[in-house]
Amino acid sequence: NAGVTQTPKFQVLKTGQSMTLQCAQDMNHNSMYWYRQDPGMGLRLIYYSASEGTTDKGEVPNGYNVSRLNKREFSLRLESAAPSQTSVYFCASSEAGGSEAFFGQGTRLTVV
Amino acid sequence: QKEVEQDPGPLSVPEGAIVSLNCTYSNSAFQYFMWYRQYSRKGPELLMYTYSSGNKEDGRFTAQVDKSSKYISLFIRDSQPSDSATYLCAPWEGGYNKLIFGAGTRLAVHP
Repeated sequence: NAGVTQTPKFQVLKTGQSMTLQCAQDMNHNSMYWYRQDPGMGLRLIYYSASEGTTDKGEVPNGYNVSRLNKREFSLRLESAAPSQTSVYFCASSEAGGSEAFFGQGTRLTVV
Repeated sequence: QKEVEQDPGPLSVPEGAIVSLNCTYSNSAFQYFMWYRQYSRKGPELLMYTYSSGNKEDGRFTAQVDKSSKYISLFIRDSQPSDSATYLCAPWEGGYNKLIFGAGTRLAVHP
């Protein structure tokens, strides 16, 4: 019973490199989210997908793109990483947007 | 103005103290008010939630919402060292609307 699985757990990138963070859930949830968490700033919503086939911008979408590949998977892409994107990234899913959200274990990303 | 404001703390209290954690919000459409707890280096987990105004109690935890003043509170009675975590409020409109969080308040309960 995995819940929400994020890969990778840790990543170091050089400025300008690109990468994709993967997220998969096995709870048949409709909604999925990507957040970043920085000290003192809580969880800030980057993008979310209310249901398969839809994606919407959150509070801090600049520098990111997302793909809702199917109902299970929601990926986050950094096209040209910047040091300001150093953060812990969390993926979450919920049955219907905003009901109890289940989180992955996080990806710690450092951009040097 | 941010939709949800929460003092990030940190808050340090002795074991057995009553803790009060608070958030304010600006969006009148919020109907559900959730509190998540996050232990160090873990993802957040739902602690409890309330619908509309009023109180809800769950063991040592009480959630309170005052929609007239757009104020959300979480009270912890008889706090324990195991309550040491970051507490995040998350008001929500319902339906397929986005889920946003306050900044989180870091709480430390010392023996």
